[in-house]
Amino acid sequence: AQSVAQPEDQVNVAEGNPLTVKCTYSVSGNPYLFWYVQYPNRGLQFLLKYITGDNLVKGSYGFEAEFNKSQTSFHLKKPSALVSDSALYFCAVSPRTGKLIFGQGTTLQVKP
Amino acid sequence: DGGITQSPKYLFRKEGQNVTLSCEQNLNHDAMYWYRQDPGQGLRLIYYSQIVNDFQKGDIAEGYSVSREKKESFPLTVTSAQKNPTAFYLCASRTVTGGANNEQFFGPGTRLTVL
Repeated sequence: AQSVAQPEDQVNVAEGNPLTVKCTYSVSGNPYLFWYVQYPNRGLQFLLKYITGDNLVKGSYGFEAEFNKSQTSFHLKKPSALVSDSALYFCAVSPRTGKLIFGQGTTLQVKP
Repeated sequence: DGGITQSPKYLFRKEGQNVTLSCEQNLNHDAMYWYRQDPGQGLRLIYYSQIVNDFQKGDIAEGYSVSREKKESFPLTVTSAQKNPTAFYLCASRTVTGGANNEQFFGPGTRLTVL
């Protein structure tokens, strides 16, 4: 079965430190990869996506993600975390059908 | 949340009642989606539609129904057959122009609570 895993329910980081939110997937072929962010009681906001090409993708709000085909991973990163980055982050994978398979989400807590 | 509206924001339902959640988009997107979000489970696909007058079941369609009579509208009905409908419901849309790599845009969600 196709699946997406976000192994950490919560990530805690101090403001100004780098952050990483992990995502691995089990989807056949060459899927498209996405990261979304959700603030409390709101819809999801698109951050970035990987389609093809450079393994390092840059997105909104200073976030970037690194695609690793051999490890089937797509980790979200940011060099310097802000308190305002605290939110719920979802990794999603599309097996090129237009449909998305979501991970269970990781809560990012950035402390001042 | 741009271009996609969902109403109402909060909805309370008595057991045995059907309720309909509204989703409207002005992005001229062809494809629309309904997801259910439960704590710790991510988003699960209920129904999706790639074109007007056509829709397909997602992973958890039982107890739900949809229609797609207009391009901009994709209402979801939660029927009394849905055993555990209390959840946060999210609608999304996507342009199909250019292929399957286009991201989905999400509405602000409707929180449904069964009393």
